[in-house]
Amino acid sequence: GEDVEQSLFLSVREGDSSVINCTYTDSSSTYLYWYKQEPGAGLQLLTYIFSNMDMKQDQRLTVLLNKKDKHLSLRIADTQTGDSAIYFCAVSDNYGQNFVFGPGTRLSVLP
Amino acid sequence: DGGITQSPKYLFRKEGQNVTLSCEQNLNHDAMYWYRQDPGQGLRLIYYSQIVNDFQKGDIAEGYSVSREKKESFPLTVTSAQKNPTAFYLCASSNRPVDTEAFFGQGTRLTVV
Repeated sequence: GEDVEQSLFLSVREGDSSVINCTYTDSSSTYLYWYKQEPGAGLQLLTYIFSNMDMKQDQRLTVLLNKKDKHLSLRIADTQTGDSAIYFCAVSDNYGQNFVFGPGTRLSVLP
Repeated sequence: DGGITQSPKYLFRKEGQNVTLSCEQNLNHDAMYWYRQDPGQGLRLIYYSQIVNDFQKGDIAEGYSVSREKKESFPLTVTSAQKNPTAFYLCASSNRPVDTEAFFGQGTRLTVV
């Protein structure tokens, strides 16, 4: 089955850029997502990208997809303390039968 | 407002007891999901349902049961057979393939005492 991997921790200084990386195994994955989870809360969709796209930009967020290497990244520009959270990469197929999530990357923003 | 609601937010259970977690959505979504979240392990799928009166096991269904008698409701029962039930449980719904997003509830933290 599909396997999604992320590093578990990332620390950055306030104002710097954060880059969170994700790799997946199933090349037929059609939709790729980034979700944010704040402490004790559910998941909030940040952005998503279709597999036929290389890049998507949405305000401070930039998603890059390297389909050949099955690598997805999320860049947060000008990282703020409010960005401290766990970020989940997720993928699904064209029919949305299932979402497969990575383990989550805990982003800590240092003042 | 449309959304997905889980209740209660915190739940305590004695060992050997069954407990049911509620999940309700008013988004008119066909698909609903239950995930379990443990520290450092991300989300693991317990059960999912694509349509009323039908549901499928996910990766870790043992010790859990669900029902889908109504489109808007997908309750999860944690049975006494579940060996390690203390976790954070998340319910989600989606209207795939029409929509791209899965909407999540705020979660229920279950603690076995």
